[in-house]
Amino acid sequence: EAAVTQSPRNKVAVTGGKVTLSCNQTNNHNNMYWYRQDTGHGLRLIHYSYGAGSTEKGDIPDGYKASRPSQENFSLILELATPSQTSVYFCASGEGTGRDTQYFGPGTRLLVL
Amino acid sequence: QQKVQQSPESLSVPEGGMASLNCTSSDRNFQYFWWYRQHSGEGPKALMSIFSDGDKKEGRFTAHLNKASLHVSLHIRDSQPSDSALYFCAASGYNQGKLIFGQGTKLSIKP
Repeated sequence: EAAVTQSPRNKVAVTGGKVTLSCNQTNNHNNMYWYRQDTGHGLRLIHYSYGAGSTEKGDIPDGYKASRPSQENFSLILELATPSQTSVYFCASGEGTGRDTQYFGPGTRLLVL
Repeated sequence: QQKVQQSPESLSVPEGGMASLNCTSSDRNFQYFWWYRQHSGEGPKALMSIFSDGDKKEGRFTAHLNKASLHVSLHIRDSQPSDSALYFCAASGYNQGKLIFGQGTKLSIKP
């Protein structure tokens, strides 16, 4: 089964600070995704990538940047963290079409104080 | 308005009973539909997909799709306590790797 790992698993940050969430996948999938999960909203797409060097805006990109330095790694960057970005963040990978399964990591719980 | 709407928000079913979850989309570009399941403290995991009108059965799970009404459902027979989880409906269009998720249905199976 596809393996997607995330670090850190838990993070406490201060308002205005910089936060980097990391994701690694070992299945050579082209596409990678960053979602946030909030009660009542389900999973919402923040950024995604078609491969190394590419990043695309998802449905809620404001306040977030993404970086895909290699096929395996995809980072989500909060340059100036705000309390509204307190959430659980999930990374996923997939082959790249709507017919393909997305494989999710275990999540990162972020608290911005 | 969310493009994928799920109902009910929460559902309690006795062990051995039938659980029925519903999902309606508002975008006729959606062609591929998925059900993902998330147990507490874990990431979501794909449960099953359905791409054609009609029923698709996998063990105790049956998905039904009606593209004309943009409605997809998931039925779980002989529900087990391990089925207690958050269930997401998700949809995607042609040549799109993006999935649009609903807000989820929390299913509780009571022993």
